[in-house]
Amino acid sequence: QQQVKQSPQSLIVQKGGISIINCAYENTAFDYFPWYQQFPGKGPALLIAIRPDVSEKKEGRFTISFNKSAKQFSLHIMDSQPGDSATYFCAASRRPTGANNLFFGTGTRLTVIP
Amino acid sequence: EAGVAQSPRYKIIEKRQSVAFWCNPISGHATLYWYQQILGQGPKLLIQFQNNGVVDDSQLPKDRFSAERLKGVDSTLKIQPAKLEDSAVYLCASSALRDRNFYEQYFGPGTRLTVT
Repeated sequence: QQQVKQSPQSLIVQKGGISIINCAYENTAFDYFPWYQQFPGKGPALLIAIRPDVSEKKEGRFTISFNKSAKQFSLHIMDSQPGDSATYFCAASRRPTGANNLFFGTGTRLTVIP
Repeated sequence: EAGVAQSPRYKIIEKRQSVAFWCNPISGHATLYWYQQILGQGPKLLIQFQNNGVVDDSQLPKDRFSAERLKGVDSTLKIQPAKLEDSAVYLCASSALRDRNFYEQYFGPGTRLTVT
């Protein structure tokens, strides 16, 4: 069973546009929601993360919006650039009580067209 | 600081053969993870170590997969015997305490395994 559902599977955006990727989860025990960026041949790298006590977090051009009641969160990439072309994964985790493994979404391949 | 190191980067084996992957985590990171990433999917946790003890191996196919972390630093993941469905990228990650109780995981470049 997929713990975190992610959409869309792929996304094509013009340079300067806004990229939006959505995720949903079921397990209310999750309390840490990171987004990872992965380039071909590389491991995932943490991009930005949020905890459920805030509804939005912004770092540069990247913003996470979090809706606790709907159990949904999304990544917005403002002013998208060709260098942002990569695969993006949302994930969720529980507060560490021993095991704190990340449950990943299925990924979104973003292509930013110059 | 140096990142998570993994070797080899690529490996091609025939089914029923055995294979081993090596991981060196970031210095000082007590927690180490092995993930399996099948093409087109997100990484899935196989096993988590805290120092040299296993914290979670609930998704490790123990009939063919094994992992160890001797001395609480480097780790090896072994598959014996390999099946076609084991073809994937095997990612190693490590973490240290960050931001109160939350752990940021740092991933290595992965080992791409092809089983023919």
